[in-house]
Amino acid sequence: SQQGEEDPQALSIQEGENATMNCSYKTSINNLQWYRQNSGRGLVHLILIRSNEREKHSGRLRVTLDTSKKSSSLLITASRAADTASYFCATGKNTGTASKLTFGTGTRLQVTL
Amino acid sequence: NAGVTQTPKFQVLKTGQSMTLQCAQDMNHEYMSWYRQDPGMGLRLIHYSVGAGITDQGEVPNGYNVSRSTTEDFPLRLLSAAPSQTSVYFCASSALRGANQPQHFGDGTRLSIL
Repeated sequence: SQQGEEDPQALSIQEGENATMNCSYKTSINNLQWYRQNSGRGLVHLILIRSNEREKHSGRLRVTLDTSKKSSSLLITASRAADTASYFCATGKNTGTASKLTFGTGTRLQVTL
Repeated sequence: NAGVTQTPKFQVLKTGQSMTLQCAQDMNHEYMSWYRQDPGMGLRLIHYSVGAGITDQGEVPNGYNVSRSTTEDFPLRLLSAAPSQTSVYFCASSALRGANQPQHFGDGTRLSIL
């Protein structure tokens, strides 16, 4: 079952614009992670935000987490054509002997020149 | 530094055949996992391992076996391939318990079952 659901499913913007993707989840979490996937490649980790954090930055990326609303957002500022990819959120939760990540279905971002 | 290496990159099987998808990492990571990615469904966890000799089931384990005899390798075995197992398979690793750490992914194995 999917824990994270991204919105929108697809997003098309022009280079230089900002892109915002949202992720909602259903149960309590220990952390939330965002990944990027270029076509035909594996996922690449972008940023991890813990449940006691509200905002994190990494270069042109800004992630927020609202645990009361069970939602997160990923903002990419000043987008570039190279940002064209699918973006996934993944919720992490400690369970017994191990901990598991549950991925959402992703947002496909297209950045045009 | 190769990271996570998956072989083969592509494979076509007939229904009922068996095969092993290979995954190797050179980062001395304890945690390794297998996911399948299907259109519109994101990634689903098949099996995972918290260290050599220890494996456990994920969300969709049926039809798959794993073993972890070394820290570096975590092969995924399809026992009797079915068309429903047509998918892209990703192996991932992390230094510590999986959900609390960034995952390092391989580039995937694209598997078609006819």
